[in-house]
Amino acid sequence: NAGVTQTPKFQVLKTGQSMTLQCAQDMNHNSMYWYRQDPGMGLRLIYYSASEGTTDKGEVPNGYNVSRLNKREFSLRLESAAPSQTSVYFCASSEALTRHWRGLAGADTQYFGPGTRLTVL
Amino acid sequence: QKEVEQNSGPLSVPEGAIASLNCTYSDRVSQSFFWYRQYSGKSPELIMSIYSNGDKEDGRFTAQLNKASQYVSLLIRDSQPSDSATYLCAGQNSGYALNFGKGTSLLVTP
Repeated sequence: NAGVTQTPKFQVLKTGQSMTLQCAQDMNHNSMYWYRQDPGMGLRLIYYSASEGTTDKGEVPNGYNVSRLNKREFSLRLESAAPSQTSVYFCASSEALTRHWRGLAGADTQYFGPGTRLTVL
Repeated sequence: QKEVEQNSGPLSVPEGAIASLNCTYSDRVSQSFFWYRQYSGKSPELIMSIYSNGDKEDGRFTAQLNKASQYVSLLIRDSQPSDSATYLCAGQNSGYALNFGKGTSLLVTP
């Protein structure tokens, strides 16, 4: 199993350009997440998808859109990139909803992809 | 106030010593807690999770949760230079997302 994969690994954009970050997981997880990590700020949630067909905003959604293409894939789109979006982007997945439906107590672990390092000039 | 707070460090300990990492949290993230380790340029990897009051041990790692005082800690026994990394504390409420602290940098010196 590859776990959570992300493409591309690195990307340089000019201000105003658009791009889509791709994420896929092979763990049959219901829930998927996009975070960004900036120096001194920690990881911040951009958007998440609790299950196929649903998406919700996180802490910092402005300037981004997401698509839950199917159970495996969750993409993040920057329509008009800005220098403030220079960051490292991580995708994650977890069982979440499955645990809820099964009445399982305890922690719902999120597994992270390798990240995409994006620079916007 | 951020929902999960950590001291950014760096925390420096000699090889073989116990490293103690601490985290405090607000009521909004009071269900489950996670410790992730992140090496420079890499993604976070899970060390331990804890959701019940008390201690949870896994090898050299012990997570401690005190809900009355709203803190969670991670102890690393017999610290090794390979433990040098940033340790991220995260809290999870009844929803799905994690709230991360800013991370504590740990340096284990030979």
